[in-house]
Amino acid sequence: SYVLTQPPSVSVAPGQTARITCGGNDIGNNNVHWYQQKPGQAPVLVVYDVNDRPSGIPERFSGSSSGNTATLTISRVEGGDEADYSCQVFDGNSDLPIFGGGTKLTVL
Amino acid sequence: VQLVESGGGVVQPGRSLRLSCAASGFTFLNYGMHWVRQAPGKGLEWVALTWYDGSNPYYSDSVKGRFTISRDNSKNTLYLQMNSLRAEDSAVYFCARDSGGYNIHYNFDHWGQGTLVTVSS
Repeated sequence: SYVLTQPPSVSVAPGQTARITCGGNDIGNNNVHWYQQKPGQAPVLVVYDVNDRPSGIPERFSGSSSGNTATLTISRVEGGDEADYSCQVFDGNSDLPIFGGGTKLTVL
Repeated sequence: VQLVESGGGVVQPGRSLRLSCAASGFTFLNYGMHWVRQAPGKGLEWVALTWYDGSNPYYSDSVKGRFTISRDNSKNTLYLQMNSLRAEDSAVYFCARDSGGYNIHYNFDHWGQGTLVTVSS
């Protein structure tokens, strides 16, 4: 089955740029979606179809994907960005939506 | 858009539970809907999908044959009937709207707050 691999944690200082990766076989040919989840809250879609943002999501959030790695980039990181971030794709072989294991972003 | 889950609780292994998700703020019958779960301290796991009209229900392998997703568009409500529950089904269950409307896009643009299911003797 298709597996998405994320680093367990990423740390960044306020004002800096955070990059969270999502590894998967040939993920560059897939539509990748990213969710932010704060403790005790529901996930929020922050990027869809690799690099589109839902309304209300700041331009600081962007995505890219190539080869076997997709990346969520958060520019000018703020304390309020501290959360778990999960990537997600649709695996056409199994016909299943698949999530990565999530990455905890810590703002130092 | 608002999605409100209910029906969670503590249940013994092998027993059943039915979750509900009340939808408001959008035209419910125009959207596919999903259930996604999250075990304590773990990542998100997709569980089931129903199309806008209740057709083509689809399940993860881990729940196929035990869980049934359904919807009542006249009541703007999504359901998940869970039978033969196991300890590994313990999780927060979220209902989520598919972003694609009539067409399923397999990403989730609105989520409920979740309801906790604990399977334990």
